[in-house]
Amino acid sequence: GEDVEQSLFLSVREGDSSVINCTYTDSSSTYLYWYKQEPGAGLQLLTYIFSNMDMKQDQRLTVLLNKKDKHLSLRIADTQTGDSAIYFCAETDTGGGNKLTFGTGTQLKVEL
Amino acid sequence: EPEVTQTPSHQVTQMGQEVILRCVPISNHLYFYWYRQILGQKVEFLVSFYNNEISEKSEIFDDQFSVERPDGSNFTLKIRSTKLEDSAMYFCASSRQVSNSPLHFGNGTRLTVT
Repeated sequence: GEDVEQSLFLSVREGDSSVINCTYTDSSSTYLYWYKQEPGAGLQLLTYIFSNMDMKQDQRLTVLLNKKDKHLSLRIADTQTGDSAIYFCAETDTGGGNKLTFGTGTQLKVEL
Repeated sequence: EPEVTQTPSHQVTQMGQEVILRCVPISNHLYFYWYRQILGQKVEFLVSFYNNEISEKSEIFDDQFSVERPDGSNFTLKIRSTKLEDSAMYFCASSRQVSNSPLHFGNGTRLTVT
């Protein structure tokens, strides 16, 4: 079945860039997503990328997709303390539809 | 921006009791989902629902679980006889289309079974 892997923790200093990485197994995924979860809160859709794209930029967020290596990354420029959260990568299921397979989540800690 | 809303935010129940978790999806969305996240584990798919029918369900979604759209706005998840291992955060989501359409999640209901 599908599997999505992420590193568990990332610590950065305020103002630096953060890069959160994700690897996935399903080469037929059409969309890949990044969700943000703050403590005690729900899953906030941050951005998503269609599989025929290499890059997508949205303000401070840059998503890079390497389809050959099945590697997805999320770069946050000028990281702020408010960016501290858990970031989940998710891919769509092989069978189509909108069933998502989530990664384990990366906890981003932003230090002053 | 339209949101998915879930109630209650926290539900405590005794083992063996029935619980109903409620969700109001985004109004022009047609596809609805339940996911759950056991503490410290991945977010897992439970069920998808469209046109008053279950489209797909996971192995987790056994006979103890059911979903319903009782009216034009609510979408509910019922657990018939709760077990300790049902303790988790339950997320409702909705999307406009069946595929290639991002899921928007609610803030979740934390279910604690004692």
